[in-house]
Amino acid sequence: DIQMTQSPSSLSASVGDRVTITCRASQGIRNDLGWYQQKPGKAPKRLIYAASSLQSGVPSRFSGSGSGTEFTLTISSLQPEDFATYYCLQHNSYAWTFGQGTKVEIK
Amino acid sequence: EVQLVESGGGLVKPGGSLRLSCAASGFTFSSYSMNWVRQAPGKGLEWVSSISSSSSYIYYADSVKGRFTISRDNAKNSLYLQMNSLRAEDTAVYYCARTGRWGPDYWGQGTLVTVSS
Repeated sequence: DIQMTQSPSSLSASVGDRVTITCRASQGIRNDLGWYQQKPGKAPKRLIYAASSLQSGVPSRFSGSGSGTEFTLTISSLQPEDFATYYCLQHNSYAWTFGQGTKVEIK
Repeated sequence: EVQLVESGGGLVKPGGSLRLSCAASGFTFSSYSMNWVRQAPGKGLEWVSSISSSSSYIYYADSVKGRFTISRDNAKNSLYLQMNSLRAEDTAVYYCARTGRWGPDYWGQGTLVTVSS
């Protein structure tokens, strides 16, 4: 199975900060990667698909980059509603795998 | 509007069985692969199983292989997960998710399965 290593596992940031989260795949997955935001008690919500395409309705402060094995999610200016847990997900193989998650907390 | 609504969760004893359902609406259900993903309390997300649009291709995570069975009824716009020989480690919120052109796009709100004596 493809392993996804996501870092950091948590971070503290202030409103207005630039935040970067990274996922590394154990083998090349082209751009078959999405980024998801999850708030407590809610289902995951897709922010980015195909590694760098912004999901319709998602604010432009979210962006994704990367291909192959290294991927990044960037929040350009953190807003109060962005405090949540973020996951990467690879769907290159039939056995999807998620990163371990990054909890973004208020500093 | 795409909607996925899970049901069937609850409390079950170790070794017991449970059948989850996911009712789909707002899209042509028969055209999409569907999936189950779970999340244990306080933990991350784990893919469980996938089924292609016509049920020709079915896949399971090693952790549930031989115990869980995914199925669908395209006439009823419904996805199912039959869970047998349940263990404490199967305790989780179970989500159904649609596979769009670029991977999983829509998710249901989840249904909680608790395996405990």
